[in-house]
Amino acid sequence: EAQVTQNPRYLITVTGKKLTVTCSQNMNHEYMSWYRQDPGLGLRQIYYSMNVEVTDKGDVPEGYKVSRKEKRNFPLILESPSPNQTSLYFCASSPDSYNEQFFGPGTRLTVL
Amino acid sequence: DQQVKQNSPSLSVQEGRISILNCDYTNSMFDYFLWYKKYPAEGPTFLISISSIKDKNEDGRFTVFLNKSAKHLSLHIVPSQPGDSAVYFCAAGTNRDDKIIFGKGTRLHILP
Repeated sequence: EAQVTQNPRYLITVTGKKLTVTCSQNMNHEYMSWYRQDPGLGLRQIYYSMNVEVTDKGDVPEGYKVSRKEKRNFPLILESPSPNQTSLYFCASSPDSYNEQFFGPGTRLTVL
Repeated sequence: DQQVKQNSPSLSVQEGRISILNCDYTNSMFDYFLWYKKYPAEGPTFLISISSIKDKNEDGRFTVFLNKSAKHLSLHIVPSQPGDSAVYFCAAGTNRDDKIIFGKGTRLHILP
């Protein structure tokens, strides 16, 4: 089944404790992206990647890192999480940026 | 500066009638526009897209209209069905930088 998977689905952590949210797709897509969804703010793009080893900043990259060492994986790294990064995070993939994106189920992160 | 605006946070429509969701944008360089639908506790799913060189695209009950001079697009759903109750996001991008900008979303309620 074609899908985007994210892990973990739920995470509660404390300020400053490094964490990684994994994202994997099995559709051989070139384009992958991370978004956060916050009430009243919609979906905001954090980082995106056009291909292996090619990443770029979205609208809200501060406090986040990504890597794209393999085509299928695009982990989101929070080196020192803060409470303002409490949010619902979505990973997505697509053949390229102007085609439909397939979204993962979301990761709800709470930073205390 | 919000480049993609969905000015109606919510909309209620009678079942069987037409639902019209609106989206305005400020960046005349956008090359493509997409609509996504989102149910609670799920990732967004793609609905329909339109290239900036077209003014209309239709897929079943869903039609998207683009008015470039007004920097406005709309999604028409006809007839509206109970399963259409969801949050709808408008998104736009350019071929220059592969960023995707989402609006804040409109919650559609289909009334029985």
